[in-house]
Amino acid sequence: EVQLVQSGAEVKKPGESLKISCKGSEYTFTSNWIGWVRQMPGKGLEWMGVIYPGDSETRYSPSFQGQVTISADKSISTAYLQWSSLKASDTAIYYCAKVVGLTRWGGSGFEDWGQGTLVTVSS
Amino acid sequence: DIVMTQTPLSLSVTPGQPASISCKSSQSLLHSDGKTYLYWYLQKPGQSPQLLIYEVSSRFSGVPARFSGSGSGTDFTLKISRVEAEDVGVYYCMQGIHLMYTFGQGTKLEIK
Repeated sequence: EVQLVQSGAEVKKPGESLKISCKGSEYTFTSNWIGWVRQMPGKGLEWMGVIYPGDSETRYSPSFQGQVTISADKSISTAYLQWSSLKASDTAIYYCAKVVGLTRWGGSGFEDWGQGTLVTVSS
Repeated sequence: DIVMTQTPLSLSVTPGQPASISCKSSQSLLHSDGKTYLYWYLQKPGQSPQLLIYEVSSRFSGVPARFSGSGSGTDFTLKISRVEAEDVGVYYCMQGIHLMYTFGQGTKLEIK
């Protein structure tokens, strides 16, 4: 059974940096894109970006380009989402999800999801 | 950007009755490979989203047969033939045609 296990909840102050993680198991981590999705309190789902762990190619939503950095360490089957300077508006649950599609750059969707990481940014 | 519009935004259904959610995309989701990349997810209270339907009408592993998806091009529908108490939550449609994803606003299903 595919598993995506995310790091634990974080409480940070505005201006601080943060890196959260998503560890995949029971599948070939380097062969599927991993996506990140934001859910602000009481709101819907927003796609942030994806990474292909095999060669770390990344694609970002225009809404999140330059606001976050997505990376991966294929040696430990882990993807990351990081901020260099958090804002209160970054308070949200962040989900990682495994992308499944016919080809690497074709159409696709999110099949398996992590449990989510709650990030709270408050002074 | 492809915009996904769901209706209704909320639904209150008596157990055993059917339910239907519409999702419209601003562009066709038909890919050159012949597949249409429209997905349906359910987010139960306090849980991560879970995949229900992929590529318009294929039920994901373990999804009950009372869930069905249909549609083509830009118009799609999720139907629940007989709603059960465990179906409460928020339903999202999502497009994934070119490694750029967009979710609908979500439809909250409550039980009467």
